Amino acid sequence: GAVVSQHPSWVICKSGTSVKIECRSLDFQATTMFWYRQFPKQSLMLMATSNEGSKATYEQGVEKDKFLINHASLTLSTLTVTSAHPEDSSFYICSASYRVDYGYTFGSGTRLTVV
Amino acid sequence: QKEVEQNSGPLSVPEGAIASLNCTYSDRVSQSFFWYRQYSGKSPELIMSIYSNGDKEDGRFTAQLNKASQYVSLLIRDSQPSDSATYLCAAPYGGATNKLIFGTGTLLAVQP
Repeated sequence: GAVVSQHPSWVICKSGTSVKIECRSLDFQATTMFWYRQFPKQSLMLMATSNEGSKATYEQGVEKDKFLINHASLTLSTLTVTSAHPEDSSFYICSASYRVDYGYTFGSGTRLTVV
Repeated sequence: QKEVEQNSGPLSVPEGAIASLNCTYSDRVSQSFFWYRQYSGKSPELIMSIYSNGDKEDGRFTAQLNKASQYVSLLIRDSQPSDSATYLCAAPYGGATNKLIFGTGTLLAVQP
């Protein structure tokens, strides 16, 4: 149980275009999901907390207009990287928790390469 | 002090030895802790969780929590080459959202 699916696994896009990443909780409802970014040889950095039916909460230093988050249902959150640039190339991972004491389950991640 | 801190390593141990991974935390995190394993290019997978002082064992893994010292550790017995990965300590940041905050991770290399 507590499976989180993330799509796509990898994407290559041209600089200036937008990319949408989907995160789904398959067997539970997630009112809150989390989006992380990980650069090579670095740890996971929390970008934002996605809240079902309301605005996302962004961490300090994360541009909310560049990283659009939508959490329209209890099983789906999307992250859209707008006007992507090469410096946005990274590994993006979503996470959700069925119950906090059960831990947090992660999606398989999306490797974004902007050329 | 960062919320969760780890020695980045790398930590190298011979096959069959005990690997000891350590993590310290600040007062700003909630008192539940998670150890994740992350292979290169993959997303993290949960190994252990611990909430109470003392030890918690699961197979070859033992998590230890010392709240007085604000210290949590992970021991891996009979280390195998397949255990080679980055181990991440994490805790929910205090507050309503319980967002999970990670340490920088410790790279473990088990030498055959």
